[in-house]
Amino acid sequence: SQQGEEDPQALSIQEGENATMNCSYKTSINNLQWYRQNSGRGLVHLILIRSNEREKHSGRLRVTLDTSKKSSSLLITASRAADTASYFCATDALTGANSKLTFGKGITLSVRP
Amino acid sequence: GAGVSQSPRYKVAKRGQDVALRCDPISGHVSLFWYQQALGQGPEFLTYFQNEAQLDKSGLPSDRFFAERPEGSVSTLKIQRTQQEDSAVYLCASSLERLAVYNEQFFGPGTRLTVL
Repeated sequence: SQQGEEDPQALSIQEGENATMNCSYKTSINNLQWYRQNSGRGLVHLILIRSNEREKHSGRLRVTLDTSKKSSSLLITASRAADTASYFCATDALTGANSKLTFGKGITLSVRP
Repeated sequence: GAGVSQSPRYKVAKRGQDVALRCDPISGHVSLFWYQQALGQGPEFLTYFQNEAQLDKSGLPSDRFFAERPEGSVSTLKIQRTQQEDSAVYLCASSLERLAVYNEQFFGPGTRLTVL
């Protein structure tokens, strides 16, 4: 079962535009992470935001977290063709000493040159 | 530096055949995870190791799936009597700290398993 649900499922934009992707989840979390996956490759960690944080920046990335609405958004500013990839949000399920990430189905982002 | 490596990158198996997938995590990483990613889906958790201890195997879909990490470094995911529904990409990830959710996970390129 997948907790995170990304929205939209697919997004196509022009190079230079901003891309906004949303993620909703169901249960309480310790943190939320965003990952990128290029076709045929493994996932690359982009950014982690803790449950007590509301906003975080990393380069052209901006992540927000609203725990009251159980949602997060990832904004990529000034997009580039190289940003074309699938993007996943992932939430933890920390119980005791164990940990695991639960991923959504992903958003396919296409950036047109 | 070397990242997480997995082998083989591609595996084609006949239904009923046993397969073994290998993961070499980043040296010194305490936590190791296996995920299964079906086409068009996000990765789904299979199992988690902290050093050599398998602390969570709740995501293994059946008793045909078995994972080990005997010396706390390299890990092997074994699937016995493969079925067509086992066809997927199997991803391995490692993380430096014990409480891995507070740290990023570093993923390998995955092994694409196709069961005919």
